[in-house]
Amino acid sequence: DAKTTQPPSMDCAEGRAANLPCNHSTISGNEYVYWYRQIHSQGPQYIIHGLKNNETNEMASLIITEDRKSSTLILPHATLRDTAVYYCIVRVDGGNNRKLIWGLGTSLAVNP
Amino acid sequence: NAGVTQTPKFRILKIGQSMTLQCTQDMNHNYMYWYRQDPGMGLKLIYYSVGAGITDKGEVPNGYNVSRSTTEDFPLRLELAAPSQTSVYFCASSSRGVLRYEQYFGPGTRLTVT
Repeated sequence: DAKTTQPPSMDCAEGRAANLPCNHSTISGNEYVYWYRQIHSQGPQYIIHGLKNNETNEMASLIITEDRKSSTLILPHATLRDTAVYYCIVRVDGGNNRKLIWGLGTSLAVNP
Repeated sequence: NAGVTQTPKFRILKIGQSMTLQCTQDMNHNYMYWYRQDPGMGLKLIYYSVGAGITDKGEVPNGYNVSRSTTEDFPLRLELAAPSQTSVYFCASSSRGVLRYEQYFGPGTRLTVT
């Protein structure tokens, strides 16, 4: 199973873009990259996912390098409510076996 | 829709006691999961289910049991509570057969074993 590496913490000024990096150098061709966040010990919340192409939704953008060994989650205009732990996860598919391998995440602090 | 609900929110157990953590989802999802999260750590998968009557072990199943008699419910049973099971427990569900594999999480159960 591919594992991910993220910086333990980051800071960002309110209103600026937050760029959260993730390394997944052992990812295989059929493994998706997912991003979740967890606000203050609540249940995690899905943000975005991708396989090869860059993705964008109403919450964030996901940039995946061409070799797929790393990715960056971009929150374009961070707000105080984006303060959370952000998890970069790979999804393993094996028939009916769908599991997410969770790491330690990046604790993002958005400062006023 | 209520989404994923978990009861109780908090519980204190004595060593050796048993309890069942309840999880219910009203989204007609086939997949359901139980995770535990220790302080400052990521989530670890305890058990999961791909449909009613089918369950399988995750990374850390020892000390726990599950059953899935209906699509909606996925209870987690602790038979002989130990201090190492002090943790926050999250239940999650997701739909099958769709590309977007989004897990919906419940609010969690905070369990202390003393």
